[in-house]
Amino acid sequence: DTGVSQNPRHKITKRGQNVTFRCDPISEHNRLYWYRQTLGQGPEFLTYFQNEAQLEKSRLLSDRFSAERPKGSFSTLEIQRTEQGDSAMYLCASSLVLVMGLAGDHQETQYFGPGTRLLVL
Amino acid sequence: ELKVEQNPLFLSMQEGKNYTIYCNYSTTSDRLYWYRQDPGKSLESLFVLLSNGAVKQEGRLMASLDTKARLSTLHITAAVHDLSATYFCAVDKGMDSNYQLIWGAGTKLIIKP
Repeated sequence: DTGVSQNPRHKITKRGQNVTFRCDPISEHNRLYWYRQTLGQGPEFLTYFQNEAQLEKSRLLSDRFSAERPKGSFSTLEIQRTEQGDSAMYLCASSLVLVMGLAGDHQETQYFGPGTRLLVL
Repeated sequence: ELKVEQNPLFLSMQEGKNYTIYCNYSTTSDRLYWYRQDPGKSLESLFVLLSNGAVKQEGRLMASLDTKARLSTLHITAAVHDLSATYFCAVDKGMDSNYQLIWGAGTKLIIKP
């Protein structure tokens, strides 16, 4: 396994169009995260999945954004009716959350994919 | 609400010098990460610090964690040009918050030959 992969790496679209990005996590990881990053900023959390279940979405996330992870493996992030403000780098990360029982659960390191750079004209 | 502050946000230094990047956070956490990002690239994991007093070193980089002071440092020894990048710290909010990471704004490091 070569790590987290994302496709496409770059996407240029016109305002109002829909776009879809794909993320393939590290195979044994049960957590998958989507982040957005704009120039000069840290990653901004969008949503995450535990296996196939989407457990949380950022309150800042518009209804135009939707994400799926249908079989608990790869995930897609769709942006409908894109706006110029959606232009950013979209990052996917995966991790392994270990259920330790009485010892307590913990999350291993999040590993990031190369990102999809979106430009909305 | 957990906040993470890094300083400085920008650092320009000469090769061969030593410097430290600071990461302060506002509430209790027992797991802190350092990541590196090159321009136009994704984030690369550098260190995970798991407990008070933890210290990890890789090459010219050394990271430490003081959970009582809610402070982590990333120390650069005898800097070389290849270490030019943006460095982020991220604090794990823990199980009760579903392990979300709260990110600092990043420190852009430029090392001049």
